[in-house]
Amino acid sequence: EIVLTQSPGTLSLSPGERATLSCRATQSVSSSYLAWYQQKPGQAPRLLIYAASSRATGIPDRFSGSGSGTDFTLTISGLEPEDFAVYYCQQHGSSPEWTFGQGTKVEIK
Amino acid sequence: QLVESGGGLVQPGGSLKLSCAASGFTFSGYSMHWVRQASGKGLEWVGRIRSRTNSYATAYAASVKGRFTISRDDSKNTAYLQMNSLETEDTAIYYCTRRGSSWSPGDAHYVYFMDVWGKGTTVTVSS
Repeated sequence: EIVLTQSPGTLSLSPGERATLSCRATQSVSSSYLAWYQQKPGQAPRLLIYAASSRATGIPDRFSGSGSGTDFTLTISGLEPEDFAVYYCQQHGSSPEWTFGQGTKVEIK
Repeated sequence: QLVESGGGLVQPGGSLKLSCAASGFTFSGYSMHWVRQASGKGLEWVGRIRSRTNSYATAYAASVKGRFTISRDDSKNTAYLQMNSLETEDTAIYYCTRRGSSWSPGDAHYVYFMDVWGKGTTVTVSS
């Protein structure tokens, strides 16, 4: 089973700053099957990035994804007030199981 | 959109059946997943059911295998999650999601992701 570990657990930043979130897998993950989701309190998750670097429909270009193999990154180039939330990476591969990282909370400093 | 229903309070060892009603897209053509989230915790994949084209194949997380069953009724645009032998650890918000896809020209295959989510329904297992 592939385990995804996200770091840091919490990121304290000010609006306008750049956020860099990491997702590390215990074994190689196809970049085709790595996604990122945003979740705000009391809401369902929302797809941000799929295939490691493709933005989902309607997602602003300040969100970008990169990485390959076991190391993936979500970058928010300039934090807007609505970006303070929890972010999850997710993978699926040859196994039917889909797995999520434990999440990174981006909070206002 | 997706709308879950059927959540509630149930005693340990009991059963509950959740529903996920879909609208606005051709439900029969999509794989459907269930994801849960315990209070203050992260997301946990529960399982999925594929489309008729893929023989309605199901798969489950190890934590629920043998206790939970996913089914669907394409005539009703609805997916279901039957939960038996419930444990206190099953207490969570249960989300229904659609598996979306996109063609990746560089890789020459489809890539998959969860692109539509319901608002969730809350299941509490407690005596």
